[in-house]
Amino acid sequence: EAQVTQNPRYLITVTGKKLTVTCSQNMNHEYMSWYRQDPGLGLRQIYYSMNVEVTDKGDVPEGYKVSRKEKRNFPLILESPSPNQTSLYFCASSLYQGTFRHSYNEQFFGPGTRLTVL
Amino acid sequence: SQKIEQNSEALNIQEGKTATLTCNYTNYSPAYLQWYRQDPGRGPVFLLLIRENEKEKRKERLKVTFDTTLKQSLFHITASQPADSATYLCALAFNFGNEKLTFGTGTRLTIIP
Repeated sequence: EAQVTQNPRYLITVTGKKLTVTCSQNMNHEYMSWYRQDPGLGLRQIYYSMNVEVTDKGDVPEGYKVSRKEKRNFPLILESPSPNQTSLYFCASSLYQGTFRHSYNEQFFGPGTRLTVL
Repeated sequence: SQKIEQNSEALNIQEGKTATLTCNYTNYSPAYLQWYRQDPGRGPVFLLLIRENEKEKRKERLKVTFDTTLKQSLFHITASQPADSATYLCALAFNFGNEKLTFGTGTRLTIIP
């Protein structure tokens, strides 16, 4: 089954304790992205990656790191979590065709990770 | 900066009627626009895409229109059913180069039996 998986699904942690949220897709997609979703603010992009070893900042990258060593995996790292990073996080992937005006960017989302930082 | 507004936070519609959701944007017109459905506790699921040179797209009971003059997209669900109850998100892509989508905050639709 084609899917994006995230782990853990739920996490409660304390301020300053490093954590990693994993994301994996089995669709051979080039493009992967991380979003956070907060009430009243919608989905905001944290980081994205257009291919292996290529990552770039989204709208709210502060306090986060990512890596893309393999095509299928795109972990999100919080080196020193703070309470304002309490949120619902989604990983997404899409087939990036890279041709101007012919790209079809349907994004496939993971089930989400609910993170609480105390 | 680019702003996206979805008409209302919540919308209640009687079963069988047509539900119409609005997505308005400011400044630049997107290269394309997408609509997603999100159920509580789940990730968004893609529904439809419409490009800047298209006026209308249909898929079963769903219809999307795109008016670049009004800077608006309308999303219609005809013959609505309680199973259509969910939050609907519009997402705009302003730059083909990086596939970046900018999402609206969503409209929570409830279909009343």
